[in-house]
Amino acid sequence: GEDVEQSLFLSVREGDSSVINCTYTDSSSTYLYWYKQEPGAGLQLLTYIFSNMDMKQDQRLTVLLNKKDKHLSLRIADTQTGDSAIYFCAEGESDYKLSFGAGTTVTVRA
Amino acid sequence: DTGVSQDPRHKITKRGQNVTFRCDPISEHNRLYWYRQTLGQGPEFLTYFQNEAQLEKSRLLSDRFSAERPKGSFSTLEIQRTEQGDSAMYLCASSLQGAEETQYFGPGTRLLVL
Repeated sequence: GEDVEQSLFLSVREGDSSVINCTYTDSSSTYLYWYKQEPGAGLQLLTYIFSNMDMKQDQRLTVLLNKKDKHLSLRIADTQTGDSAIYFCAEGESDYKLSFGAGTTVTVRA
Repeated sequence: DTGVSQDPRHKITKRGQNVTFRCDPISEHNRLYWYRQTLGQGPEFLTYFQNEAQLEKSRLLSDRFSAERPKGSFSTLEIQRTEQGDSAMYLCASSLQGAEETQYFGPGTRLLVL
């Protein structure tokens, strides 16, 4: 959606860290989400963060939230070939509707 | 529970025909959502149900589109008089109303209108 912006492409070497960035506009968003989509498949929820948090870590995933700048990032440690996919940032505009960015295509090279 | 399921996974139809898609949410989830995703874009919200009540419809949902959830469980999305511009992936998601509104998505139905 036009209210959520992401860079379109990211290329990373296997074993390195990936950082995917997202900016959003709705300051009233309660939750912010990261979803992963593999070719021809639906969306897989990776992680989410509540708007009053700054950071959330879940195994190889680290989410950072800068609420002042409305900036969200997803860091994937030790990136693997199976991490190649499209990653979507989404904000919860209300308690029922998600607004998605256009997605960041992550390519992991050997 | 096997998650959200959608049927069919793929549909090819001719312009002007009607199509219907089905979504079965996670069994204890009372909220169900429909999104549309076109190539190179993120999903766009179409409509959502809380139990059997349709509470919100996007302006993207023209009068050719209708969605139902008659018993508060599965839902159907019907498109009448399909147009080539309706070609997209139609995604269904469900959630449990509460403190953490986490939506879980199905695999989607890919529609191609010729």
